[in-house]
Amino acid sequence: LAKTTQPISMDSYEGQEVNITCSHNNIATNDYITWYQQFPSQGPRFIIQGYKTKVTNEVASLFIPADRKSSTLSLPRVSLSDTAVYYCLVVSYSSASKIIFGSGTRLSIRP
Amino acid sequence: GAGVSQSPRYKVAKRGQDVALRCDPISGHVSLFWYQQALGQGPEFLTYFQNEAQLDKSGLPSDRFFAERPEGSVSTLKIQRTQQEDSAVYLCASRHTGENTEAFFGQGTRLTVV
Repeated sequence: LAKTTQPISMDSYEGQEVNITCSHNNIATNDYITWYQQFPSQGPRFIIQGYKTKVTNEVASLFIPADRKSSTLSLPRVSLSDTAVYYCLVVSYSSASKIIFGSGTRLSIRP
Repeated sequence: GAGVSQSPRYKVAKRGQDVALRCDPISGHVSLFWYQQALGQGPEFLTYFQNEAQLDKSGLPSDRFFAERPEGSVSTLKIQRTQQEDSAVYLCASRHTGENTEAFFGQGTRLTVV
């Protein structure tokens, strides 16, 4: 299973764009890059998934370079409610595959 | 139901007591996962099932931990002779088949061993 590395913590201000980068040097051909968000006292929540290039949904964008050894989660115009822990995962698309979390990035948004 | 449901939400157990934690996954989801999350840490993988088959239990910390999913839907995580270090939030997640890797998590059961 590919291991991921991401910053332990980040700070930003309301209205700013936040980019969280994750490295996954040993990613395999069958692996997707997936990001989850977790608020205190809640289970993680899926944000976005991608295989290559750029993916955008109503919450975030995910940028993946051609070599797929890293990815960047971009949160546009953050608000206080985006304060949470963000996890970068590499997940095989096979349903017979366990999902492993790292330590995550603790994002704090200030007024 | 609409999401993954876990019960109880909170459990206080005396050291040495046995506990059983229940997970109701989203209907039709093939894969089911259990995680243990200590305060300030990321979820640690415990075990997972594909239907009723337990495909990986490498994360179970000791033989006091046991999980089952006999009919391929509801799952139970049992901890025997609980110890203080078992205090954590236990999360359950389920996932459908196919290329969408999204897993849906329950709110967890917070276990406190006193």
